[in-house]
Amino acid sequence: QITLKESGPTLVKPTQTLTLTCTFSGFSLSTSGVGVGWIRQPPGKALEWLALIYWDDDKRYSPSLKSRLTITKDTSKNQVVLTMTNMDPVDTATYYCAHLMGYSSGGGWFDPWGQGTLVTVSS
Amino acid sequence: QSALTQPPSVSGSPGQSVTISCTGTSSDVGSYNRVSWYQQPPGTAPKLMIYEVSNRPSGVPDRFSGSKSGNTASLTISGLQAEDEADYYCSLYTSSSTVVFGGGTKLTVL
Repeated sequence: QITLKESGPTLVKPTQTLTLTCTFSGFSLSTSGVGVGWIRQPPGKALEWLALIYWDDDKRYSPSLKSRLTITKDTSKNQVVLTMTNMDPVDTATYYCAHLMGYSSGGGWFDPWGQGTLVTVSS
Repeated sequence: QSALTQPPSVSGSPGQSVTISCTGTSSDVGSYNRVSWYQQPPGTAPKLMIYEVSNRPSGVPDRFSGSKSGNTASLTISGLQAEDEADYYCSLYTSSSTVVFGGGTKLTVL
């Protein structure tokens, strides 16, 4: 059974850097074809994909946020970390991590997702 | 990175069928079978309902089906039930190994 859980601060101040950790079980990020992604959702708004990291340490970022995002993995700890710099109130959202499947077949879908963590940006 | 267009809302009565569309371009949705669909009831995390346009994961009722015609993918829910009321999102895995989501559709069961 695959599970993921997000952790990190619930409140950050504007201009600060946000660091979120995704701790997972039930799979290894050293297995070919596996990936972990981050997705966020502002209150009452749509999902927005942020970043992906693959088993081979290949990384992909949302073009609109690329300059602010860094995604890394610690395979030994089964963790993926996302950092987002220069936080702004518009970055207030629930942040989800999710297991990416289907890479080997040319596809790519998220299953399952973590429960999400709400991050509020306010002074 | 192109956007995927979904209708903001759809509705239907119990037992009816509803279809949610997800429109891209000939370069993305029209060229690849990399569309997936997610269900998100209020206050919960998204759940995968369909992958690669029309494949259903284990445990998802066969009332949920996916298809594609040209640049538009669709999610059809037949035999609508009250528990189907949720937000639904389509997603595309791009040729650049990135992801884009649609704007979401709110399904109301009347």
